[in-house]
Amino acid sequence: EVQLVESGGDLVQPGRSLRLSCTTSGFIFGDYAMTWVRQAPGKGLEWIGAIREKVSGATEYAASVRGRFTISRDDSTSIAYLQLNSLKIEDTGVYFCSRWMTHQALHNWGQGTLVTVSS
Amino acid sequence: DIQMTQSPSTLSASVGDRVTITCRASQSINIWLAWYQQKPGKAPNLLISKASTLESGVPSRFSGSGSGTEFTLTISSLQPEDFATYYCQQYIYYATFGQGTKVEIK
Repeated sequence: EVQLVESGGDLVQPGRSLRLSCTTSGFIFGDYAMTWVRQAPGKGLEWIGAIREKVSGATEYAASVRGRFTISRDDSTSIAYLQLNSLKIEDTGVYFCSRWMTHQALHNWGQGTLVTVSS
Repeated sequence: DIQMTQSPSTLSASVGDRVTITCRASQSINIWLAWYQQKPGKAPNLLISKASTLESGVPSRFSGSGSGTEFTLTISSLQPEDFATYYCQQYIYYATFGQGTKVEIK
């Protein structure tokens, strides 16, 4: 069974940093890209970035987070990470991870982890 | 960047109604379009991929159509468990979501 579990969400002050983890099981992690999607309170889904499969490891980000957020992966532990730097109040929301392949929809999601940015 | 525009933003309907949600892409995405259902406090659930392919376990009252830039999600007979928010998503190039359509009880 494919499982993804996000963790690391917390209450942080503006300008601070946070690292989220997406711990996975039930599939060959290295064969998949990993993507992060967030949802501000009461708002819609926003794709924020992805990291390609192990063989590539290339990353791509939404304009709203480019330069502040970094996605990485550890194929030895099957964990994807989202490093959030220079956090802003508008980064508040639930962050979801999902496994992904080119030209495939997002079949499997974690339950999400809540990041609250507030002074 | 590819923009996705959904309409309506909110839809009031009754059990048994036929409902249709529209999604428009800012450029052609062929058939690389997915529909998700999301309930409060939960992760999105994939209903349809490749514009019209129903995912395993999804009731047949859900259907999708379209290609290029215009897509629709239809629920043929709305059930109580279908009151939720629906999102379209393009995945021809990474991902972009529509702003969502909340289906609420009339």
